Amino acid sequence: AQTVTQSQPEMSVQEAETVTLSCTYDTSENNYYLFWYKQPPSRQMILVIRQEAYKQQNATENRFSVNFQKAAKSFSLKISDSQLGDTAMYFCAFMIKAAGNKLTFGGGTRVLVKP
Amino acid sequence: EAGVTQFPSHSVIEKGQTVTLRCDPISGHDNLYWYRRVMGKEIKFLLHFVKESKQDESGMPNNRFLAERTGGTYSTLKVQPAELEDSGVYFCASSPVRVQPGNTIYFGEGSWLTVV
Repeated sequence: AQTVTQSQPEMSVQEAETVTLSCTYDTSENNYYLFWYKQPPSRQMILVIRQEAYKQQNATENRFSVNFQKAAKSFSLKISDSQLGDTAMYFCAFMIKAAGNKLTFGGGTRVLVKP
Repeated sequence: EAGVTQFPSHSVIEKGQTVTLRCDPISGHDNLYWYRRVMGKEIKFLLHFVKESKQDESGMPNNRFLAERTGGTYSTLKVQPAELEDSGVYFCASSPVRVQPGNTIYFGEGSWLTVV
């Protein structure tokens, strides 16, 4: 069975600064995807960034980037130049390539961006 | 384009009562998923529809939960009778017709259920 662990329940960061969220996972599979989802207060959960396990290059989406360490089974998210609108719950998730679109989530990290 | 919509957004019911949650996926999305997050725990997969067929229902906790998707459009998730441990947020999600790994999955805002 796959597990995803987010060790930081809450984090706060000053506006314009950088924050890094940790995520580790456990699997015996070799082909999989990793995701970071963001859920702002009372809003829909949206995809922030996606990484395919066979790609060594770390994914980047504007101010969001990941540090994917496959051997260590680590998938951290860095938010650069934090903005007030980044305040949200962030969920790390895992999907086995051969198992359709079934996601396994971590427990989430609440990020508060302070002005 | 409308996103995934869920109704009701909040529901408070007494133990033993019945609640039905509804999900309208994005138009044209054949894949529909239900997930739930019990307070303080991870978001857990419940089941996956492809059109009106249940592709995977391995996450359904017990037979008090019944999911349907008649006609392959909207879906309902009924909890009968509700127990205290059913309290949490129930998320619906949908994705395009081809089950390609890594397809973007679109989530609704969730239905908050409180059983008292």
